[in-house]
Amino acid sequence: QLHLQESGPGVVKPSETLSLTCAVSGASIRSFTSSWGWIRQSPGKGLEWIGSVSNRGSTSYNPSLKNRVSISVDMSKDHFSLNLTSVTATDTSVYYCARLEAGGLDVWGDGATVVVSS
Amino acid sequence: DIQMTQSPSSLSAFVGDRVTITCQASQHISDYVNWYQQKPGKAPQLLIYDASKLETGVPSRFSGSGYGTDFTFTISSLQPEDIATYFCQQYDHILTFGQGTKLEI
Repeated sequence: QLHLQESGPGVVKPSETLSLTCAVSGASIRSFTSSWGWIRQSPGKGLEWIGSVSNRGSTSYNPSLKNRVSISVDMSKDHFSLNLTSVTATDTSVYYCARLEAGGLDVWGDGATVVVSS
Repeated sequence: DIQMTQSPSSLSAFVGDRVTITCQASQHISDYVNWYQQKPGKAPQLLIYDASKLETGVPSRFSGSGYGTDFTFTISSLQPEDIATYFCQQYDHILTFGQGTKLEI
């Protein structure tokens, strides 16, 4: 059974870069034709799509974050990663990774809480 | 961006009730709508994809319908374990979500 798990710092200082990794287990990431995405959720903004990366490395980003976000995949390590630069308090959220299959997010990680604070 | 207007924002119902949630898209999106259930402290779970197709393993009391701009999610007979927040999501362009419906008994 496919399983996704987020990892990374729980606290990031303002203006620094938020970096998270999503480990894929239960199957090799290269065995899928899916894309792999990041979503965040905060009380004030609900669920927000951040972006995705395909196994070929092509990316799609939310225009509202496009200047600050990058998502990459490392198939040799069966993981994909999120970098969000120049963070502020408004980036405080629960960050989820998920598999994107035909427009639907059908497998999710448990979520990682990230607080932006000095 | 395509906006998804979901209503109601909260809903109180009894066990056995038929429950309906709606989402309206800001422009035509064919059947590119999914529905999710999220329980407190957990990640969302995909229930319905392509507006009306039931995800594997999801009970048949859940259903979806709609095309174009207006979409409906229905629980035919509410069960205690259905207490959760439900979200619609479109994927015609950049993925966007409705604001959620908190369902209470």
